[in-house]
Amino acid sequence: NAGVTQTPKFRVLKTGQSMTLLCAQDMNHEYMYWYRQDPGMGLRLIHYSVGEGTTAKGEVPDGYNVSRLKKQNFLLGLESAAPSQTSVYFCASRGDTGELFFGEGSRLTVL
Amino acid sequence: AQSVTQPDIHITVSEGASLELRCNYSYGATPYLFWYVQSPGQGLQLLLKYFSGDTLVQGIKGFEAEFKRSQSSFNLRKPSVHWSDAAEYFCAVGAPSNTGKLIFGQGTTLQVKP
Repeated sequence: NAGVTQTPKFRVLKTGQSMTLLCAQDMNHEYMYWYRQDPGMGLRLIHYSVGEGTTAKGEVPDGYNVSRLKKQNFLLGLESAAPSQTSVYFCASRGDTGELFFGEGSRLTVL
Repeated sequence: AQSVTQPDIHITVSEGASLELRCNYSYGATPYLFWYVQSPGQGLQLLLKYFSGDTLVQGIKGFEAEFKRSQSSFNLRKPSVHWSDAAEYFCAVGAPSNTGKLIFGQGTTLQVKP
């Protein structure tokens, strides 16, 4: 049972480049989330989805887009990367009892 | 505004000593409360959660936490710390709503001295 899988795990971008982070879960969860983690700031919610075909903005959505075309996948896109988007990105899905299951993270550096 | 505060950014304890990590929250409704642990380079793992009922909850790895509504606190405790407990700990709060969003504190880094 893989749980929540994120790809890629590491990526270096130049300012202005675009990329997509993929999150896949095999637990048949409805709700999925993208957080970013920065030192001293904990985890901040970027976007989330309460089901296939739905997305909603979180606390820090600017500069990011998301899509949930399939229930098991939640994609996070950066159209024009900026150095302020250097961070560790975590995907999570919500279990039936309200807890979140996290992937191992994707470390993104924007030069 | 909804928020979670972990007042201690960094804590150092000796192996075998007791541990208490503080968490205070500001939330309009009756919250769901969680503690997660993150080892270096890893994702977050759930230690324990409180939804309702007994205000003292037991978790994995010998951790427990106590919900105190009057103090808006959910402090994490362990009677005897092991070197393997060195990690970053996050308190989180959410609501029994249909979005399931969690708000996280800033995290507390635990260092264990031999």
